[in-house]
Amino acid sequence: GQQLNQSPQSMFIQEGEDVSMNCTSSSIFNTWLWYKQDPGEGPVLLIALYKAGELTSNGRLTAQFGITRKDSFLNISASIPSDVGIYFCAGRLETSGSRLTFGEGTQLTVNP
Amino acid sequence: DTGVSQDPRHKITKRGQNVTFRCDPISEHNRLYWYRQTLGQGPEFLTYFQNEAQLEKSRLLSDRFSAERPKGSFSTLEIQRTEQGDSAMYLCASTKRGGLGNTEAFFGQGTRLTVV
Repeated sequence: GQQLNQSPQSMFIQEGEDVSMNCTSSSIFNTWLWYKQDPGEGPVLLIALYKAGELTSNGRLTAQFGITRKDSFLNISASIPSDVGIYFCAGRLETSGSRLTFGEGTQLTVNP
Repeated sequence: DTGVSQDPRHKITKRGQNVTFRCDPISEHNRLYWYRQTLGQGPEFLTYFQNEAQLEKSRLLSDRFSAERPKGSFSTLEIQRTEQGDSAMYLCASTKRGGLGNTEAFFGQGTRLTVV
């Protein structure tokens, strides 16, 4: 089963607002990734994080690798309608080799 | 198109039938993964290959499931005697690991399986 707790499950915001979502776990991860998935499509990688405390930006997106290595957050600034979709955190456990463990996703709705 | 390609995109089958899905990874990627995603959930790992070797299988991969990557290029995932609980999106991903230029997982568009 899932080992990542992602919150919130869904968000309804107005265009232009900032958004924040996070993932937590009781396990230690050595990599954190954030993906976006549109309906009927596969996940698309947004940001990858490899070191505890790392803060990385990709345009309006910013993500951080928690210093305890058990959590990560994603911020989206000045949201636009095309930000709509499901955002997933994913991590690579120290003990799991190559496989990724995914959170349950945050469904984002942006009202124009 | 140089991304990960999956075929078919959609499959409807009757309970008890066998189905086979194909994945063509990005050409220079040496690792290929299969994940399963049910509605409202994140993808769950099934198995992965490094070149033609299947290196890891999840407990989710029952005896009815088999995956191959015979020449280290494309892969197939077969489900025998399908059950309604097999209905899900089956996602393939590929990466390049080891040596220079490691990448994270690039996903295909998935195969949506419906068992009726």
